[in-house]
This record gives sequence, structure tokens and C-alpha cells, in this order.
Amino acid sequence: AQSVTQPDIHITVSEGASLELRCNYSYGATPYLFWYVQSPGQGLQLLLKYFSGDTLVQGIKGFEAEFKRSQSSFNLRKPSVHWSDAAEYFCAVGILTGGGNKLTFGTGTQLKVEL
Amino acid sequence: DTEVTQTPKHLVMGMTNKKSLKCEQHMGHRAMYWYKQKAKKPPELMFVYSYEKLSINESVPSRFSPECPNSSLLNLHLHALQPEDSALYLCASSQVPIGGGRETQYFGPGTRLLVL
Repeated sequence: AQSVTQPDIHITVSEGASLELRCNYSYGATPYLFWYVQSPGQGLQLLLKYFSGDTLVQGIKGFEAEFKRSQSSFNLRKPSVHWSDAAEYFCAVGILTGGGNKLTFGTGTQLKVEL
Repeated sequence: DTEVTQTPKHLVMGMTNKKSLKCEQHMGHRAMYWYKQKAKKPPELMFVYSYEKLSINESVPSRFSPECPNSSLLNLHLHALQPEDSALYLCASSQVPIGGGRETQYFGPGTRLLVL
């Protein structure tokens, strides 16, 4: 069965510092990978996605992620964090089942930004 | 436009009440989803509708009853809920996946439900 692991439950960075959020997946076939962000009490906003092709994908708000098949990873990065980036970040893998499209989410990483 | 709207934003209900959550999208998506999210947890899939037909039910209790009256609208009817059903209920939509789960799901802001 597919699974997604986000090893870091909480991360704190200073504003202006770089950021890397880790995501590891377990899935037998080619994974379709997503990063979503959720501000408190809000829905999920798509940051970026990987389906195929170039393994470095660019997203919104200055985020990027790199797919590494050999490491089963899809880590999210940002070169300079802004205070408004404080939120919960979810990595997810999408699979097609007999009934439709399913997303399996990691447990999330809570990002705090120190001013 | 990638907007999914949900109403109401907040809902408080007693265990004997009947209420409904509503979700709407106008992106032409033909797959719609209900998720339940408890505090500090990731969303958990409840139901998937594909072309207005229920295609996935993740063994959700019958006190939750989904309905998809047309391609733009998704409802979740609630009856005899328990306090442990209190959560954020998220709706999402996507194109119907044509292979490999590659369709992107777009989420609404959610309905915060409190069952007393």
C-alpha cells in the first residue's frame, strides 16, 4: 500500500532563512506527488505537483520541490522564508483506484517562522 | 478560476439534529470529494463522486449521507451525529482521472462542525 512520511512534525526557521521540508513516499508505481499548504482554519492550497518530466518543479509563493526516485523523496524548498509562510504543510501521493482518484497525505509539518 | 466554495463556514448541531453541508464548483470538474479533518491531522477521504455517481465510500457511517445533484454541487447530509464527528469537513474537486491518479484536487475552505 502507498504511504507518505513527513519526518518533521514541527520546524522553526527565522524569517529570511532557507527552508526544506522533507517528504518520503512508498509506492510501487510512478507516483504523482503534491504539496499542499493549510493556514489555520482554512482549506488546503496547492503549492506544486509532480507528474513526470523535469524532476525540479516550481510552485507558487516561491516554493520548489525536487523529485528523487532513488531516495523516494519529494522535498519542498524555499530560499527565503517570509513570516506569512507559517502554516501546516502536507505532502501527498495521488493514486488511481477502481473507484476514482485518491490522495494519501503525510501527517504534515507545522512551520513556525521567527521574526 | 480554481475556486471551490463551501457553506456554511461554521455549524453547531445537536446529536438529534439534521443538517447539510454544501459544496459548489464551477470549474467543469466531474469528480468531487468529501474529506474529514480532525485537529492536527491530515485530511481523510470520505467519499468520491465521479460523473455524479458515488464511486468511493471509505466505510463512512450511515449518519453521513452524500448527494451529488448535479456536476457543480455536492452535499453532505448529517443526521444523528456524535461529538467525535466534530471536525473540519473539506470538499474538493478535480477533473475525472483518466489514468494514474494525476488529476489535481482543488480544495474548498471547509466547514467547521461542532456536535454537542
